[in-house]
Amino acid sequence: KNQVEQSPQSLIILEGKNCTLQCNYTVSPFSNLRWYKQDTGRGPVSLTIMTFSENTKSNGRYTATLDADTKQSSLHITASQLSDSASYICVVRGYNTDKLIFGTGTRLQVFP
Amino acid sequence: DGGITQSPKYLFRKEGQNVTLSCEQNLNHDAMYWYRQDPGQGLRLIYYSQIVNDFQKGDIAEGYSVSREKKESFPLTVTSAQKNPTAFYLCASSTSTDSYEQYFGPGTRLTVT
Repeated sequence: KNQVEQSPQSLIILEGKNCTLQCNYTVSPFSNLRWYKQDTGRGPVSLTIMTFSENTKSNGRYTATLDADTKQSSLHITASQLSDSASYICVVRGYNTDKLIFGTGTRLQVFP
Repeated sequence: DGGITQSPKYLFRKEGQNVTLSCEQNLNHDAMYWYRQDPGQGLRLIYYSQIVNDFQKGDIAEGYSVSREKKESFPLTVTSAQKNPTAFYLCASSTSTDSYEQYFGPGTRLTVT
């Protein structure tokens, strides 16, 4: 069964600190993996998208990594800000389909 | 939220009533999607449409209906047959020329009592 699992479920950090969120998936064959940021009560917004041939991709303070062999991805947030408080969702698309498989997300809270 | 609008943002209905959620996009995308989001669960696909006048059931279509009469619009009706309709509903659209990147609307929170 195609699944996407994220850890931790929730995370609390202090402003200015770094953190790393994890995503493991079993989707095969695999096309691409995306990380979305979702503020409370809003729609998800794309942060990064990576194909199986890409190992890392950055978007400002957000850096995503992908290991297609172990089917693992991580999202690293550098120098966190209060505005980083949100849910981060890992999403995988299988090969030759437009259907997406969503993880349950990691809820990040950044405190001053 | 891009060029996708959903209305209203909050919707309240009595049990037994049908309700229609609006989704409009001006991105000229061919495909549109409806998802349901519940606490602690990933987004689940309700219905999707890849072209005007055509749509397919997703993973949890029971109790829902859709129409796609225009490229820009993909309304979702939550019928009285949906056993647990209270949820956050998200509409998305995509184009095959952009790796099927899906752009999401701001969502509608439906509460049925």
